[in-house]
Amino acid sequence: AQSVTQLDSHVSVSEGTPVLLRCNYSSSYSPSLFWYVQHPNKGLQLLLKYTSAATLVKGINGFEAEFKKSETSFHLTKPSAHMSDAAEYFCVVSEGGNTGKLIFGQGTTLQVKP
Amino acid sequence: DGGITQSPKYLFRKEGQNVTLSCEQNLNHDAMYWYRQDPGQGLRLIYYSQIVNDFQKGDIAEGYSVSREKKESFPLTVTSAQKNPTAFYLCASSGTGPKPLHFGNGTRLTVT
Repeated sequence: AQSVTQLDSHVSVSEGTPVLLRCNYSSSYSPSLFWYVQHPNKGLQLLLKYTSAATLVKGINGFEAEFKKSETSFHLTKPSAHMSDAAEYFCVVSEGGNTGKLIFGQGTTLQVKP
Repeated sequence: DGGITQSPKYLFRKEGQNVTLSCEQNLNHDAMYWYRQDPGQGLRLIYYSQIVNDFQKGDIAEGYSVSREKKESFPLTVTSAQKNPTAFYLCASSGTGPKPLHFGNGTRLTVT
């Protein structure tokens, strides 16, 4: 069965410094992986997705993630945090097959300090 | 603009009442989903539907019901059997297979 673990429930950075949000997954086959962002009282917005093409995936708003099969990781990074990046971030793995069902991590709250 | 519309944004009900949350999409997506979000627990799948007139239970379906009479609509009813209905409910849709989900802006339900 697929599962996903976000290693930090809360991350705090200063504006202009790098962001690292960590995610490990478990999957019995080649997974599809996603990162979503959620601002308060809003729905989730797709940041980026990995679907077995390039292992370094670039997303919106300067975010990127690297798929590392040997480490079963899919960490999200951004070189320089902006105040508007403060939100909750979810790492997600696809259950596979044709169901399209997604397994969500518990979420990481990113705080950006001025 | 294409998207998913959830209404209302906030909903208040008395305990023991059924309540229906609306979800409409104009993305021509086959699959639709309902998730429940509680603080610190991520998203949990309630029901999903891959095609009109068919739907499947998710991980926490007890106390909920759905219908899928039209491709664009997937309403969720929170029944009085749901023990802890107060939560943020998110509707989503996608194309077939492991495709990204498009989410609505959610409905925050408070039951007192």
